[in-house]
Amino acid sequence: GENVEQHPSTLSVQEGDSAVIKCTYSDSASNYFPWYKQELGKRPQLIIDIRSNVGEKKDQRIAVTLNKTAKHFSLHITETQPEDSAVYFCAALQYNNNDMRFGAGTRLTVKP
Amino acid sequence: ETGVTQSPTHLIKTRGQQVTLRCSSQSGHNTVSWYQQALGQGPQFIFQYYREEENGRGNFPPRFSGLQFPNYSSELNVNALELDDSALYLCASSLEGADYGYTFGSGTRLTVV
Repeated sequence: GENVEQHPSTLSVQEGDSAVIKCTYSDSASNYFPWYKQELGKRPQLIIDIRSNVGEKKDQRIAVTLNKTAKHFSLHITETQPEDSAVYFCAALQYNNNDMRFGAGTRLTVKP
Repeated sequence: ETGVTQSPTHLIKTRGQQVTLRCSSQSGHNTVSWYQQALGQGPQFIFQYYREEENGRGNFPPRFSGLQFPNYSSELNVNALELDDSALYLCASSLEGADYGYTFGSGTRLTVV
């Protein structure tokens, strides 16, 4: 089955710097890759997603890149702000059984 | 437009008991997925319901079962509770499958003692 690995597990940046979180997946049939942000004690919220027919997608300060050949995708946050502090999860969708596999999460801390 | 609501928010059960968790999907969403999230980990897929039929299942034993109703709300039932079942159970709804993006509920925190 699909296996999603996420790095780093924790990331601390200074406000205004960029943050990059990387994920790899194992199932070449996976073709939908969302990213979720989960603040402490709250529900995961979809922040951006990408499909396998696209190499990059951007939404204001957030961008996601996908390398299908290498089976990895990354989240890029520019001009980080303290409110970006949260746990970020990547995921990959296995279409054969609708199993959305999540990475273990990255705890991002943005220091003012 | 209402979001995804789950009940109860917290629950304490004894090992061996049975539990039912409930989820109301976001208006217009016909797909509901259930996830188990252990502390400090990513959510793990339990199963998905689409138009009242189970159409995907993760690596969970049969004592985890579910239902989806005509209004697309859903239940997760867990029989013969074990201590390791203690976790946050998240329900997520989506339109026509997972690749339209999930809207998660706030979850039910289940503690098995």
